[in-house]
Amino acid sequence: EAGVAQSPRYKIIEKRQSVAFWCNPISGHATLYWYQQILGQGPKLLIQFQNNGVVDDSQLPKDRFSAERLKGVDSTLKIQPAKLEDSAVYLCASSPVAGDSYEQYFGPGTRLTVT
Amino acid sequence: EDQVTQSPEALRLQEGESSSLNCSYTVSGLRGLFWYRQDPGKGPEFLFTLYSAGEEKEKERLKATLTKKESFLHITAPKPEDSATYLCAVLPSGSARQLTFGSGTQLTVLP
Repeated sequence: EAGVAQSPRYKIIEKRQSVAFWCNPISGHATLYWYQQILGQGPKLLIQFQNNGVVDDSQLPKDRFSAERLKGVDSTLKIQPAKLEDSAVYLCASSPVAGDSYEQYFGPGTRLTVT
Repeated sequence: EDQVTQSPEALRLQEGESSSLNCSYTVSGLRGLFWYRQDPGKGPEFLFTLYSAGEEKEKERLKATLTKKESFLHITAPKPEDSATYLCAVLPSGSARQLTFGSGTQLTVLP
């Protein structure tokens, strides 16, 4: 079974520029998450989708961050304009929606450096 | 507010030297507690889910236990390949599958 795919793996941009990240979840997983992980900290949830609907985006800085999940499969996360404090690893995870399985499966992440 | 605290922040062990990592949590109601392993440059890898106090789960040299206030990850006779950051996360009752993570324990096992 293929895992969660993310691209790019690394990105360096200047502040005030824009950037986009892509995620393809595990096949059949209806729930998709985007996390931000700052160095030395645990992942922090930014947004959760179930199919193509948003379940929770309460911690997403909506003035600069946006995310979509068209057709309930792939997802993109965008930052515009970027700030220095956005430097972090952006992780995508997916999980099945039904039953008692709450495990989330993570992709390798995209390391963003804002200079 | 849900809170997860992991200790120690970092731990260095000699190969074969057993030890335990701690995860204490404050949550209104616990649906599940999760342990993940994270290697440098990679995403977290799922290890265990614990659902109720008294529950234990094992995988190779790792054993996770759960009480009403904390969880322990016991590492027996560790090897250098066990070196990684171990993350603990809680899933509160009523949550729509949203995990709250601790900051992790960085484990280094020296040969």
